[in-house]
Amino acid sequence: AQTVTQSQPEMSVQEAETVTLSCTYDTSESDYYLFWYKQPPSRQMILVIRQEAYKQQNATENRFSVNFQKAAKSFSLKISDSQLGDAAMYFCAYRTYGQNFVFGPGTRLSVLP
Amino acid sequence: EAQVTQNPRYLITVTGKKLTVTCSQNMNHEYMSWYRQDPGLGLRQIYYSMNVEVTDKGDVPEGYKVSRKEKRNFPLILESPSPNQTSLYFCASSPSPTGTWETQYFGPGTRLLVL
Repeated sequence: AQTVTQSQPEMSVQEAETVTLSCTYDTSESDYYLFWYKQPPSRQMILVIRQEAYKQQNATENRFSVNFQKAAKSFSLKISDSQLGDAAMYFCAYRTYGQNFVFGPGTRLSVLP
Repeated sequence: EAQVTQNPRYLITVTGKKLTVTCSQNMNHEYMSWYRQDPGLGLRQIYYSMNVEVTDKGDVPEGYKVSRKEKRNFPLILESPSPNQTSLYFCASSPSPTGTWETQYFGPGTRLLVL
């Protein structure tokens, strides 16, 4: 069965600095998709960024980018120029064709002013 | 506005008292799903539905029931709630069952406390 691991339960970053959240996954599939979701204190789940496994180019969305290492099964999220509004729980998720989403346990990010 | 709605948002109940959490989406999505979120465990899938009248168990289905009589609604039923079902529950939907690229759209969550 596929599993998703986030080894950092909590992280903190100074405002305007850069932080990287780690995610690793286990799968025998070659084609799949990876997602990062943000959950602010409002508890709403918000899609931050997603990556197709067969695309070598790392996805970027404004201040958010990923470092996708397929061979290492690693999918880290980099947040540049951190803002107070970035403080949230971040979940990494995996999905392959015809299968359901598998979520990691989450990383709680604090942003220090 | 395209959205997934859940009711109630907060619920306190007692052990054994049947309850239903409703979920509705207005995006004509085929796929709907229920998750529970617990500290340190992330989101775990309870049940999912590929389409009307098609439901299947997720990773943690024990103690829960669902039904999908209409495309837009996917209620979660706890026939006899127990304290270990105290959790934060999310309903989610996505356009198709196999659209791997598609994200899920999440409801606002239901905080359940079972005494």
